[in-house]
Amino acid sequence: GNSVTQMEGPVTLSEEAFLTINCTYTATGYPSLFWYVQYPGEGLQLLLKATKADDKGSNKGFEATYRKETTSFHLEKGSVQVSDSAVYFCALSATGGGNKLTFGTGTQLKVEL
Amino acid sequence: DTEVTQTPKHLVMGMTNKKSLKCEQHMGHRAMYWYKQKAKKPPELMFVYSYEKLSINESVPSRFSPECPNSSLLNLHLHALQPEDSALYLCASSSGAPGSTTNQPQHFGDGTRLSIL
Repeated sequence: GNSVTQMEGPVTLSEEAFLTINCTYTATGYPSLFWYVQYPGEGLQLLLKATKADDKGSNKGFEATYRKETTSFHLEKGSVQVSDSAVYFCALSATGGGNKLTFGTGTQLKVEL
Repeated sequence: DTEVTQTPKHLVMGMTNKKSLKCEQHMGHRAMYWYKQKAKKPPELMFVYSYEKLSINESVPSRFSPECPNSSLLNLHLHALQPEDSALYLCASSSGAPGSTTNQPQHFGDGTRLSIL
């Protein structure tokens, strides 16, 4: 079946540090890949997406590249801010899967001054 | 601001009560979803509606009853819930209909935080 594996959290960084959150997936075919962010007390917001190999999704300084050869979709940001503190979910939607999302377990990010 | 609106934001109910959660979107999306999210966990899919018809029920207990009155509205009727049903209930919508070859991103509301006494 389909699955998504994310690095365990929480991840604690100082402001302006470089962020990487690892995400690898298992799926048949060519899934679409997403990063969602959940701020405290809120729902999930789509952060970025990629629909085919070598696509790079980007938004608000965050980037992730769809790497089919390594089945990965790692999230990166060059300089994090306190306001980036949230839980980040990697997810996939498999081809012919009825648009169902398979989520990773989520990674909590804490950014400190 | 989210484009999917959920009401109420908070709900406390007893195990014998009947209540409903509401979800509304005006993006013209034809697929709508209910999820349940426990603390520190990812959302779990409950139901999917495609063109106002129930297309997926993830073996959800019958004390949860979904309804899609029109293409913009999605309800979740609750009756005789258990304490373990306390969670954040999220609604989402997407432009791609389930079953299509294109996987469109889902847009989520802020959820209803439900507490069962």
